[in-house]
Amino acid sequence: RKEVEQDPGPFNVPEGATVAFNCTYSNSASQSFFWYRQDCRKEPKLLMSVYSSGNEDGRFTAQLNRASQYISLLIRDSKLSDSATYLCVVILNQAGTALIFGKGTTLSVSS
Amino acid sequence: EAQVTQNPRYLITVTGKKLTVTCSQNMNHEYMSWYRQDPGLGLRQIYYSMNVEVTDKGDVPEGYKVSRKEKRNFPLILESPSPNQTSLYFCASTSNSEANYGYTFGSGTRLTVV
Repeated sequence: RKEVEQDPGPFNVPEGATVAFNCTYSNSASQSFFWYRQDCRKEPKLLMSVYSSGNEDGRFTAQLNRASQYISLLIRDSKLSDSATYLCVVILNQAGTALIFGKGTTLSVSS
Repeated sequence: EAQVTQNPRYLITVTGKKLTVTCSQNMNHEYMSWYRQDPGLGLRQIYYSMNVEVTDKGDVPEGYKVSRKEKRNFPLILESPSPNQTSLYFCASTSNSEANYGYTFGSGTRLTVV
């Protein structure tokens, strides 16, 4: 099995809110983990890589829990421009060629 | 500007008429791959290539062909398109030293087969 599961949402939040997305993956041998952002009908764009130690990029914080096979993304102080679909992506192999995408979580930030 | 370029952006064709979607990257990336995105199914990998003349099947390769004769180009060929291949297609690339740092995607090709 090679699945990546996400809550599809939509998450509807006001500007300034903090919102958290979760993702679980089934293959314990998975190597690398990412969050991508996809605007409607456009290409996915890399948001950030995810590490066990956690990583932060401005208002965005990502965390990996290998034991629970769980990935999270936290967005603080949401902006209207954060409205998009967020894709959890897992790379299964060390070569980096086997990508498995979650179906995405939709975020809508309103004023 | 570093980018992955796909053409065409939109294509409507008839069942059985062979077509090619082109993909080109200007970043000297070794790895290239094709995905299709369908509502409720997310992105699924069709084919990937680790370098020139090295290609392999992804999760949904049936009905598609690819070639990698040059490092920068990775065309997707539909020899006999069928309506179930109506989808949004993305090409992506990355360096083999950065495969675990994320892929760059093209802008997509929306294909309709009638």
